[in-house]
Amino acid sequence: QQPVQSPQAVILREGEDAVINCSSSKALYSVHWYRQKHGEAPVFLMILLKGGEQKGHDKISASFNEKKQQSSLYLTASQLSYSGTYFCGPEGGSARQLTFGSGTQLTVLP
Amino acid sequence: NAGVTQTPKFQVLKTGQSMTLQCAQDMNHEYMSWYRQDPGMGLRLIHYSVGAGITDQGEVPNGYNVSRSTTEDFPLRLLSAAPSQTSVYFCAGPRPLSTDTQYFGPGTRLTVL
Repeated sequence: QQPVQSPQAVILREGEDAVINCSSSKALYSVHWYRQKHGEAPVFLMILLKGGEQKGHDKISASFNEKKQQSSLYLTASQLSYSGTYFCGPEGGSARQLTFGSGTQLTVLP
Repeated sequence: NAGVTQTPKFQVLKTGQSMTLQCAQDMNHEYMSWYRQDPGMGLRLIHYSVGAGITDQGEVPNGYNVSRSTTEDFPLRLLSAAPSQTSVYFCAGPRPLSTDTQYFGPGTRLTVL
C-alpha cells in the first residue's frame, strides 16, 4: 500500500520554508527521500533510519518517527533549485522494498 | 563508473509487439529493480532481483518478465505490449541498506500505440 504524502503541491517564494509529510500504514525500517526534476530520474536526497533520526542535506532536513510511521521533509529558505517533485519511499516488509508515495510537487518562485 | 545505464531512451511500439528494455550497472551490487512511472504518479515496482538467478515480483508485474543471468544486467521484457504499458521505466540499483543509496537510471520513455 502506497504511503500518503501531503501536501500534493505547494508553491513558495524564494527564501520561504516548506514541510512535506509522508505517512505509511505499515511498520518501517527506514524512509528514503528523493527529488525528481521534470523529465529526469529521481535523485536520492537522504535516508532516515529507525530511532527518530534527523538528517540534513544543505538546508533540507528530515525526521522519522517509526512509532507513528511518519516522516517529514523540511526545506528551509527555499532556493529556485529546490523546485521539483519530492517522493518518500518507506522501506518495510520482509523483502524491504521501497514503496513510493505519489509525490509532492514543489514550485519555488523568484 | 557509469552507475546505472538504460537503453533505449525512447521507444514506440505497436500493440502486441514485444521488446526488451536493457539495464546495466557497474557497481557490482546484488540488488536491482524496475519501476514504472505514469504521468502525475509515483514510482511503482515491477520486478526486482537480489542477485544473479534470483528475481521476484513487485507491485505491478503483469505483462513483464525479467531475468538476471549476470550481476551486471537486468533486462525487462514486454511480452505483448499494450497501451496501458505506456510509461516511463526506470531501472534502479543497488538495494538501499543502512546508508546505501539507490541510484536510478536515466529512464526509458515507452509509448504503445
